[in-house]
Amino acid sequence: EPEVTQTPSHQVTQMGQEVILRCVPISNHLYFYWYRQILGQKVEFLVSFYNNEISEKSEIFDDQFSVERPDGSNFTLKIRSTKLEDSAMYFCASSGGQGQPQHFGDGTRLSIL
Amino acid sequence: LAKTTQPISMDSYEGQEVNITCSHNNIATNDYITWYQQFPSQGPRFIIQGYKTKVTNEVASLFIPADRKSSTLSLPRVSLSDTAVYYCLVGDMDTGRRALTFGSGTRLQVQP
Repeated sequence: EPEVTQTPSHQVTQMGQEVILRCVPISNHLYFYWYRQILGQKVEFLVSFYNNEISEKSEIFDDQFSVERPDGSNFTLKIRSTKLEDSAMYFCASSGGQGQPQHFGDGTRLSIL
Repeated sequence: LAKTTQPISMDSYEGQEVNITCSHNNIATNDYITWYQQFPSQGPRFIIQGYKTKVTNEVASLFIPADRKSSTLSLPRVSLSDTAVYYCLVGDMDTGRRALTFGSGTRLQVQP
C-alpha cells in the first residue's frame, strides 16, 4: 500500500537555526498538508498546499514557516529561526482530493535545544 | 465545523467487540464522518469514512443513524495491537482539500 514518507525521523537543532523537514507524499495525490503535535497535546493543522500554492494556513503558520514543493515528489516544511516551542512531532499528509481521506506519514520529531 | 464529543477513554479485553460512539449534533448536510487511529509516536492512520447508514471495511464498521447526529465505530474482536487513540472527525465533502481538526480522541486500552 502506498504511503507518505518523512525524513528525518528525528531532528535535533539549536534554537535560532533553520530546519527543513522533508516529505514524499503518495505519488498520485494532489493535496498536501503539514500538521504538528506537541507532546501530549492534540494534532494541530499548520498548512495545506495545492497547485503549487498555499490553500489554507493556521495562526501557527507564521512568517517563520514556509512550504515548498521543489520537484514532482518532495514537499518540504522550513522553519527559518527555530524556537524552543517549535519542539513537536511534525506530520505530513496527502490526499487525492475531494471526498478522499488524508493519509499521514509517521512524522519527524523535532527537538529544539 | 461540527463539534464532536467522544469518551476520553475506554477499556476492553482481547477478543471483544469495541464500540466507540461520537456525538456530532450540529453536523451539516455536506459533512462526512471520518475516523483515525493513532499509535504513540506515529501519524494518524485513516480507518474509515462514511456519510450515512453503515460502512464496513476490513478493519472496522461505521454505523450512522438516520439523523446523523452521532456515529459509532465498531472494532470486531480487538487485540492488544488495537490499543491506540481513536479520533472522530466531521467535515464537509472537501475533506481531501481542507484542514482536519482533531479533538482529544478516545484512548482505547486493550488488556489480555
